[in-house]
Amino acid sequence: EPEVTQTPSHQVTQMGQEVILRCVPISNHLYFYWYRQILGQKVEFLVSFYNNEISEKSEIFDDQFSVERPDGSNFTLKIRSTKLEDSAMYFCASTLGQGALGEQYFGPGTRLTVT
Amino acid sequence: AQTVTQSQPEMSVQEAETVTLSCTYDTSESNYYLFWYKQPPSRQMILVIRQEAYKQQNATENRFSVNFQKAAKSFSLKISDSQLGDTAMYFCAFTEEGGGADGLTFGKGTHLIIQP
Repeated sequence: EPEVTQTPSHQVTQMGQEVILRCVPISNHLYFYWYRQILGQKVEFLVSFYNNEISEKSEIFDDQFSVERPDGSNFTLKIRSTKLEDSAMYFCASTLGQGALGEQYFGPGTRLTVT
Repeated sequence: AQTVTQSQPEMSVQEAETVTLSCTYDTSESNYYLFWYKQPPSRQMILVIRQEAYKQQNATENRFSVNFQKAAKSFSLKISDSQLGDTAMYFCAFTEEGGGADGLTFGKGTHLIIQP
């Protein structure tokens, strides 16, 4: 069964450094998402991406964040200058169809630790 | 803005029992979608069940069913014949009807523990 994959599974970085989190969505899916889950808290929507551009973003997704689909398979989340409060699990998701009829398939997540 | 509330931080039941997890939400939209996601210790988010707001019939998936009360804005999950593998965090989630841009709004989750 096709699945969303994410790399790395765990990333440790120092405050102020740039990190890139990578995701490979399911191959025929059209919409891509990033979510964040701070330890012990709920999952929060960051951004959605369709047709090579951002479709929607939350207030969390400020100028230090960016997303890109550099080729036909990868979908990346870049954090330019990490802060301690960026420590969280980051989940990538993708869906085939429009709206919520398309089930969002989640990847296993990347645990980001900022020291 | 939409909000999703799960009022039970943790629940514990014996194996084979039936358990109901509660979820309420707030929205001004008339068409929307509701979901229950399971997050086991592996942290992978797995869709358990989905409900379209325009459907009056409650969704069912094997041992999992929902009680969707649109007027009350309530969306509870019932797990029948609970199994040890059901132990996980369960998140209720909401999204508006519309384009695929819609992100999911999650509740804070309920930690369900199935005791042997």
